[in-house]
Amino acid sequence: NAGVTQTPKFRVLKTGQSMTLLCAQDMNHEYMYWYRQDPGMGLRLIHYSVGEGTTAKGEVPDGYNVSRLKKQNFLLGLESAAPSQTSVYFCASSFAGGNQPQHFGDGTRLSIL
Amino acid sequence: DQQVKQNSPSLSVQEGRISILNCDYTNSMFDYFLWYKKYPAEGPTFLISISSIKDKNEDGRFTVFLNKSAKHLSLHIVPSQPGDSAVYFCAARVRSYNTDKLIFGTGTRLQVFP
Repeated sequence: NAGVTQTPKFRVLKTGQSMTLLCAQDMNHEYMYWYRQDPGMGLRLIHYSVGEGTTAKGEVPDGYNVSRLKKQNFLLGLESAAPSQTSVYFCASSFAGGNQPQHFGDGTRLSIL
Repeated sequence: DQQVKQNSPSLSVQEGRISILNCDYTNSMFDYFLWYKKYPAEGPTFLISISSIKDKNEDGRFTVFLNKSAKHLSLHIVPSQPGDSAVYFCAARVRSYNTDKLIFGTGTRLQVFP
């Protein structure tokens, strides 16, 4: 069982470059989420989706865009990377809303120079 | 404005003893609380949850207690094992007409030593 798969696992970018992080889940979950984890800050929600074709803002959405064109995929885009976006990014999915356990990927470590 | 707080960054417990991890929250609209465990270089994994209408939920060695009047929840691990060494996050659910999401605490690193 693959569960939640994040691609890539590591990436180094230069300031101003763009990139897309891919999240794929094979559990037929409706909800998907993107979080970032920074030292001393816990997990902070960037954007989430309650179903195919939908997206919603989380706590820290600025500088990021997302798309959910297919139910199994949730893409996180950085249009113009900034050093403040250096972080570990986690994708998660759940069968339904926030009271349902979320299944996480193993993270993408992103460094922006 | 940290709505979910884990004031102890770390905790060290001897194997076989009880581990107690604490979490405080400020928003009385939270209706569900969850605990996640995270090992290095892995994503968090769900551990146990509790609805705001309950005050206790138990699953094997893990018990979560909720004190709504104090806006406080705790996770008890009995007996603690070396494999329990990880970072533990509490999370609270906030739900309204246009949102349904979790707010996470900053985590507590638990170390269980022999």
